[in-house]
Amino acid sequence: AQKVTQAQTEISVVEKEDVTLDCVYETRDTTYYLFWYKQPPSGELVFLIRRNSFDEQNEISGRYSWNFQKSTSSFNFTITASQVVDSAVYFCAIHNPFATDSWGKLQFGAGTQVVVTP
Amino acid sequence: NAGVTQTPKFQVLKTGQSMTLQCAQDMNHEYMSWYRQDPGMGLRLIHYSVGAGITDQGEVPNGYNVSRSTTEDFPLRLLSAAPSQTSVYFCASSRQGNGYTFGSGTRLTVV
Repeated sequence: AQKVTQAQTEISVVEKEDVTLDCVYETRDTTYYLFWYKQPPSGELVFLIRRNSFDEQNEISGRYSWNFQKSTSSFNFTITASQVVDSAVYFCAIHNPFATDSWGKLQFGAGTQVVVTP
Repeated sequence: NAGVTQTPKFQVLKTGQSMTLQCAQDMNHEYMSWYRQDPGMGLRLIHYSVGAGITDQGEVPNGYNVSRSTTEDFPLRLLSAAPSQTSVYFCASSRQGNGYTFGSGTRLTVV
């Protein structure tokens, strides 16, 4: 079974501070995908990134960056120079599309609430 | 493309009533799934489907039924609503797990 742990329930920062969200996962699979989703106060789920387990290269997209470390089973997410619009719940998730007993199953962590104040 | 469309957006039910949450996608995705979101628990998988005519149970299937007669539609039925089913429900679709697109959610209250 796969499991995702987001130990931080809530993080509060002041605008322009950096914030790092931790994600630790468990899986017996050697091949899997890791995801981050954002859920703003409006409630929809917004896809941020998908990372293949074969690719440990870190990724940067604007103010967002992701640090994937297979050795520690972590896929952490950093928001640089946070803005009020970054206030949201962020979910980390894992999925193995190659294992027949995992088809269609996206396993989520409990989420981390980020509050950015002006 | 409309993506994933969920209806209704809000619903209040009385205990014991039944209803169907609708989900439709126009992306020809094979995978469709239903999740419920409760505070502090993330999203938990209720039922999922990997193609028309194929469904299976997820983590929290009790009290819910699904069917997948077409690629586009994946309705979720509450057989006899209970207060414990008060939640936000999300439908998602995916092309073989390469990325999941979510609907906008249905906020259900059972009184």
